[in-house]
Amino acid sequence: NAGVTQTPKFRVLKTGQSMTLLCAQDMNHEYMYWYRQDPGMGLRLIHYSVGEGTTAKGEVPDGYNVSRLKKQNFLLGLESAAPSQTSVYFCASGRPLQGYGYTFGSGTRLTVV
Amino acid sequence: DAKTTQPNSMESNEEEPVHLPCNHSTISGTDYIHWYRQLPSQGPEYVIHGLTSNVNNRMASLAIAEDRKSSTLILHRATLRDAAVYYCILGTSYGKLTFGQGTILTVHP
Repeated sequence: NAGVTQTPKFRVLKTGQSMTLLCAQDMNHEYMYWYRQDPGMGLRLIHYSVGEGTTAKGEVPDGYNVSRLKKQNFLLGLESAAPSQTSVYFCASGRPLQGYGYTFGSGTRLTVV
Repeated sequence: DAKTTQPNSMESNEEEPVHLPCNHSTISGTDYIHWYRQLPSQGPEYVIHGLTSNVNNRMASLAIAEDRKSSTLILHRATLRDAAVYYCILGTSYGKLTFGQGTILTVHP
C-alpha cells in the first residue's frame, strides 16, 4: 500500500517551459488536492477534485491546470512556468464525508529559473 | 468557507502536556475536525480527527467543545520529536480543504 505518490520529487524548469506533476493514490479516495507551500508559509490550495472527471479551483489557481481522468490520478500542469511558481507542491487525498483522515504525498520541489 | 484560527506559536517543555487550541466558529454539522502536523521538509502528517466526541489515539487526544466551535489537541507528554507546525483543518461536506497558518510548537529539553 503505497499511499500517495508524487512524481517527480525534484525539478528545475526554465521560465516559459511546461511540465506536469503526477499524483497517484491507491486508497480508492474520492477527493484529491494540490497545494503549494512557499518558504515559511502554510499550504495554499491550488485545485481540488471531488471525484473522477471533476475539478474545482482553490485559493491560488492562476497559472495551473488540473485533470482527473482516472480516480487514482490527479495531474497538475504548468503551461508556462514562471519564477513565482517556485515552490514545494503537495498532493493529498481523502474521504472526508466518511470521516477518514487525509493522506499527503512527500512533495515535489520545483524551481523555475 | 469554513475557517480555523490558531495561535501562531506555542512553547512547551519536554515531557510536559501541551494543549493546542483551535477555533472554528463557522463549522457546520457535518464537518470533521482534523489535526495534522508538518515537520521541516516533509509533507503534513495525520495526527487525529473527530466529529463530536472526544477522540484518543496513540499520538494524541482531541477534545471537542460541546458547541463544536472550538477544539483542543492534547499531546500528553511532549517530546523533542513533537516540535512541528500543527494545523487544525475542517473536512467539509463540499470537499474544499483549506489550511490556516498553523501553530509552531517549540519543545524545550
